[in-house]
Amino acid sequence: EAGVAQSPRYKIIEKRQSVAFWCNPISGHATLYWYQQILGQGPKLLIQFQNNGVVDDSQLPKDRFSAERLKGVDSTLKIQPAKLEDSAVYLCASSWTVKASSGNTIYFGEGSWLTVV
Amino acid sequence: AQSVTQLDSQVPVFEEAPVELRCNYSSSVSVYLFWYVQYPNQGLQLLLKYLSGSTLVKGINGFEAEFNKSQTSFHLRKPSVHISDTAEYFCAVTLTGGGNKLTFGTGTQLKVEL
Repeated sequence: EAGVAQSPRYKIIEKRQSVAFWCNPISGHATLYWYQQILGQGPKLLIQFQNNGVVDDSQLPKDRFSAERLKGVDSTLKIQPAKLEDSAVYLCASSWTVKASSGNTIYFGEGSWLTVV
Repeated sequence: AQSVTQLDSQVPVFEEAPVELRCNYSSSVSVYLFWYVQYPNQGLQLLLKYLSGSTLVKGINGFEAEFNKSQTSFHLRKPSVHISDTAEYFCAVTLTGGGNKLTFGTGTQLKVEL
């Protein structure tokens, strides 16, 4: 079974530029998550989708971050304009969750490493 | 809101020695608990999880953890570590019925030395 796919793996941009990350979850997984992991910290949830609807985006900096999952499968996370503090690993993850139940295993991709200079 | 504390940022240990990585959580309601491992330049991989039932949970790679409700802890243990266990370990919590949103600790770097 293929895992969660992410691209690009690495990206270096200048501040105020834009960047987009793409994620393809495990086939059949209804729930998709984007996490931000700053060096030396644990991952922090940015946004959670259930199919093509947003379940939780309370920690997404909406003035510069946006995310979509238009067809309920793959997803794109965009940052515009980027700031130095956005340097982090952006982890996409997915799970089988059908309703708002919890405890289902969340599977993570290898991450997209962003450096803002 | 729930939170997770991993008091040890780094744990050095010699190969074949036992190890315990500590995790404490805070929540006013019932939780599910997880341990994830992150190898260099890779994503997170689930080691084990506690949902209900037996408080001793066995996971992959010989790891186990024990849920202690009275002490709000979920410590990870392995009786004999290997060089290949060198990695970052994250404890995480989610509320039961809470929509599967994980809150992670800050991680513990396990360094296994010869």
